[in-house]
Amino acid sequence: EPEVTQTPSHQVTQMGQEVILRCVPISNHLYFYWYRQILGQKVEFLVSFYNNEISEKSEIFDDQFSVERPDGSNFTLKIRSTKLEDSAMYFCASSEWTGGSPLHFGNGTRLTVT
Amino acid sequence: AQKITQTQPGMFVQEKEAVTLDCTYDTSDQSYGLFWYKQPSSGEMIFLIYQGSYDEQNATEGRYSLNFQKARKSANLVISASQLGDSAMYFCAMREVPYNQGGKLIFGQGTELSVKP
Repeated sequence: EPEVTQTPSHQVTQMGQEVILRCVPISNHLYFYWYRQILGQKVEFLVSFYNNEISEKSEIFDDQFSVERPDGSNFTLKIRSTKLEDSAMYFCASSEWTGGSPLHFGNGTRLTVT
Repeated sequence: AQKITQTQPGMFVQEKEAVTLDCTYDTSDQSYGLFWYKQPSSGEMIFLIYQGSYDEQNATEGRYSLNFQKARKSANLVISASQLGDSAMYFCAMREVPYNQGGKLIFGQGTELSVKP
């Protein structure tokens, strides 16, 4: 069964550094998402992406965050200048359409900012 | 405003028994979708079941069923014949219209289910 893949599985970075989290969504999916989860808490929406542009973003997704789909397969989340509070599990997800089409999640990237 | 509420932070169930995980939601839209996800201790998010607001029958997927009560705005997950592998965090989520805003899911706080042998 096709799956969403995320790399790396764990990233450790120093405060103030830039990180890029990578995702390969399922190939025939059209909608892409980033979520984060701080230490087993609620899964929080960051951004949705469709037709090569951001369709919605949350208040968490401020100017230090950006997303890109540089080619036909990859979907990246960049955090420009990491803060301690950015430490979390970051999930990429994709769905074929909206409505009843579920989000398929990757296994996540655990980001630790020291 | 909180749109998805899961009031049970933790639940215990005996193996082979059924368990109901509660979920209530708040929306003014007529068209929306409700989803349940399972998150084992390994961390991945696994889709379990979907219910559309216009679906007249409760959704079922194997041992999972969704007790959908539209007037009460509740979408409870029922797991029958619990197994040890069902021990996990369970999240209820909702997708609202307009879908052209990207179709994000909003998640509840989760319920941690522990199955006892």
